Amino acid sequence: GQNIDQPTEMTATEGAIVQINCTYQTSGFNGLFWYQQHAGEAPTFLSYNVLDGLEEKGRFSSFLSRSKGYSYLLLKELQMKDSASYLCAVRSSGAGSYQLTFGKGTKLSVIP
Amino acid sequence: DTAVSQTPKYLVTQMGNDKSIKCEQNLGHDTMYWYKQDSKKFLKIMFSYNNKELIINETVPNRFSPKSPDKAHLNLHINSLELGDSAVYFCASSTWGLAGRSTDTQYFGPGTRLTVL
Repeated sequence: GQNIDQPTEMTATEGAIVQINCTYQTSGFNGLFWYQQHAGEAPTFLSYNVLDGLEEKGRFSSFLSRSKGYSYLLLKELQMKDSASYLCAVRSSGAGSYQLTFGKGTKLSVIP
Repeated sequence: DTAVSQTPKYLVTQMGNDKSIKCEQNLGHDTMYWYKQDSKKFLKIMFSYNNKELIINETVPNRFSPKSPDKAHLNLHINSLELGDSAVYFCASSTWGLAGRSTDTQYFGPGTRLTVL
């Protein structure tokens, strides 16, 4: 089965840097995704890692260590609009299909 | 020019009724999904269709029946609605089978908030 853990809530200050961690246990690992979900809206894609290392995309970066079953999402120069839930999702393969399993999300509150 | 659209956005109904939610995507994807997000915001896969064929069917009551008339549409019909069915239902779509050469990122519709009274 799949097991994905991430903190439930975090608070950070506008302009600061925040790191949201995600640990996972899965068989047939085939990539890790981060999604952002504002309250009452759909999840939107932020980043994808399938190989170890850091992927940078503007203010957002995501890191993956497959041997440790660990990823983090780094948000720099925080803005108020970054207040949202951040969902870690692991794709696994098996029985000829791929499946995306989501963690329970980390609710980030950015304060002035 | 919405990529993944769902109708209706809100659905309020009585227990025991039958209802349908429609989903359409214009991204040219060949795989579509239904997810349920409960009150604790936990997003869980229900079904996945690839080229109109069911490929993922999680432990979902058989009151839920997906139907895919073509690659661009995946509808969800729910019979005999129960209070516990109240949730937000998200449709999503992606390419398929290119993982390793592309991300096969899933793109989500705006969601349908179902309230069963």
